Amino acid sequence: DAKTTQPNSMESNEEEPVHLPCNHSTISGTDYIHWYRQLPSQGPEYVIHGLTSNVNNRMASLAIAEDRKSSTLILHRATLRDAAVYYCILQGYQKVTFGTGTKLQVIP
Amino acid sequence: KAGVTQTPRYLIKTRGQQVTLSCSPISGHRSVSWYQQTPGQGLQFLFEYFSETQRNKGNFPGRFSGRQFSNSRSEMNVSTLELGDSALYLCASSLEQTGREQYFGPGTRLTVT
Repeated sequence: DAKTTQPNSMESNEEEPVHLPCNHSTISGTDYIHWYRQLPSQGPEYVIHGLTSNVNNRMASLAIAEDRKSSTLILHRATLRDAAVYYCILQGYQKVTFGTGTKLQVIP
Repeated sequence: KAGVTQTPRYLIKTRGQQVTLSCSPISGHRSVSWYQQTPGQGLQFLFEYFSETQRNKGNFPGRFSGRQFSNSRSEMNVSTLELGDSALYLCASSLEQTGREQYFGPGTRLTVT
């Protein structure tokens, strides 16, 4: 079964870029790579997703390795409101696989 | 547009009882997924419904079941509750079945005593 591996925690200074890595070496060809984040006492919030190509939206960028075995979520300028647990998720036709999440701490 | 709503928000049940949780998706969304979140196991996928049909199912025992109605509202049921079923149960909706972004509700906090 596909699984994702993420660092347990990361720190970033405010207004600096943050690169959150995710390994998914057993990804299958039809799995989408999704990123969500979760603030305390809230449900997860969609951040970005992609299949093969790098993606950009107003919140973040997603860089996907050519072999798709890893991806990186990029927050261009971290703010205090970006402090959350970030989940890398593989979403396929018959399954959804979560990573354990990375707790991002943003230092003012 | 109203977000995903879940009822009730908090629930306390006793071992052996059964429980039904409700989820109303965003208007126009036909896919509803359910997840269990615990400190020990993290987020785990329970099942997904699309147009009243269960399409995907996670690795949970048969005590966990669900259904979706014609208006896309969904319910999940847990029978013969165990202490380990204490968790935050999250519902998420999306426009399509697979690959699209999901919008999560605030969850139902279930405590089994």
